[in-house]
Amino acid sequence: QLQLQESGPGLVKPSETLSLTCTVSGGSISSRSCYWGWIRQPPGKGLEWIGNIYYSGSTFYNSSLKSRVTISVDTSKNQFSLKLTSVTAADTAVYYCARRLIVATDNWFDPWGQGTLVTVSS
Amino acid sequence: DIQMTQSPSSLSASVGDRVTITCRASQTITTYLNWYQQTPGKAPKLLIYSVSSLQSGVPSRFSGSGSGTDFTLTISSLQPEDFATYYCQQSYSTPYTFGQGTKLQIK
Repeated sequence: QLQLQESGPGLVKPSETLSLTCTVSGGSISSRSCYWGWIRQPPGKGLEWIGNIYYSGSTFYNSSLKSRVTISVDTSKNQFSLKLTSVTAADTAVYYCARRLIVATDNWFDPWGQGTLVTVSS
Repeated sequence: DIQMTQSPSSLSASVGDRVTITCRASQTITTYLNWYQQTPGKAPKLLIYSVSSLQSGVPSRFSGSGSGTDFTLTISSLQPEDFATYYCQQSYSTPYTFGQGTKLQIK
């Protein structure tokens, strides 16, 4: 059973870089039928897609964050990571990693990690 | 970006009720529409993909329909565990976007 688990600091200072890692277990991150993604949810608010990465390193980012986001993959560790630079209080959110499964031309997010709350504060 | 708008934003209902949640896309997304359920403090869970396909393990009281820009999620007979927030999501084009959520509360 595929499982994802986020890890990283829960508190980041304004203007610094948020760094999170997602560890995939129960399956290979090198699967050709999926991308791996990050989605965030500010407290009490809705869901925002941040970006996806393929095992080869190919990435897609939300244009609203593109200048500050980098997603990378480490196939040897079965992990992928998120870096978000120059954070502000608006980046405070629960950050989820998820598999974006591709079937034919369609795709959806499943499963999701449990999420990790990152607070931006001095 | 494709905007996804859900209605209502919140809904009060009783166990056994039939409820319908609507999701509208700002442009056609054909059948690239997914539904997720989120309970407090938990990650979203995939309920329905490709408009109407039930994810494995999801009870048959959940169903989805629609195409183009208008979609619905129906719960035929509410159970206590169904009181949660529901999100639609378009997988037609990036950036993948979600509806604002519909919070289903106990009446």
